[in-house]
Amino acid sequence: EIVLTQSPATLSLSPGERATLSCRASQSVSSYLAWYQQQPGQAPRLLIYDASYRATGVPARFTGSGSGTDFTLTISSLEPEDFAVYYCQQRRNWPLTFGGGTKVEIK
Amino acid sequence: QVQLVESGGGVVQPGGSLRLSCATSGFTLSRYGMHWVRQAPGKGLECVAFLRYDGSDKSYADSVKGRFTISRDNSKNTLYLQMNSLRPEDTAVYYCSKDLPTGGGFDFWGQGTVVTVSS
Repeated sequence: EIVLTQSPATLSLSPGERATLSCRASQSVSSYLAWYQQQPGQAPRLLIYDASYRATGVPARFTGSGSGTDFTLTISSLEPEDFAVYYCQQRRNWPLTFGGGTKVEIK
Repeated sequence: QVQLVESGGGVVQPGGSLRLSCATSGFTLSRYGMHWVRQAPGKGLECVAFLRYDGSDKSYADSVKGRFTISRDNSKNTLYLQMNSLRPEDTAVYYCSKDLPTGGGFDFWGQGTVVTVSS
């Protein structure tokens, strides 16, 4: 099973600041990595697929990068609605696995 | 527009069974891979079952293999998850989700249905 490790666990930032979230895989997943945002009490929302492609309707302030084992989700300037939990997910091998999540909270 | 609506959750005793349903609309169910994903209280996300778009492949997490079965009824546009021999650790919100056409991610999710396994 491919293990995804997200860091940091919590990111405390102010609106307007830049957020950089990391996801590291225990083995190469090529570019088969997605990012999701989850607000409290809601289902996850797809942000990024295949490492760097924004899903439909996702604002341009969200950028995904990386390949192999190291990936980054960058939010260029945090909006109030961006404070949430973010998960990465690999689709290279079954079982598809998620990282443990990074909570982006208001400082 | 695409919609996924889960139902069938509830409280069940250990060893019991439940069948979850995911009613879909706005797309052709038989053309997309579909997944069940669960989230235990206060925890992260776990993919528990996958059904390939053409029905030729079903995959399960080790934690549910032999106990859960994923299926669909194309005529009813509905995805199912039959859950048998339930354990307390199966307690979670269960989401159904739809694959992107390219399989790159889960682009639509239901609102989730809560399963509680407790005596």
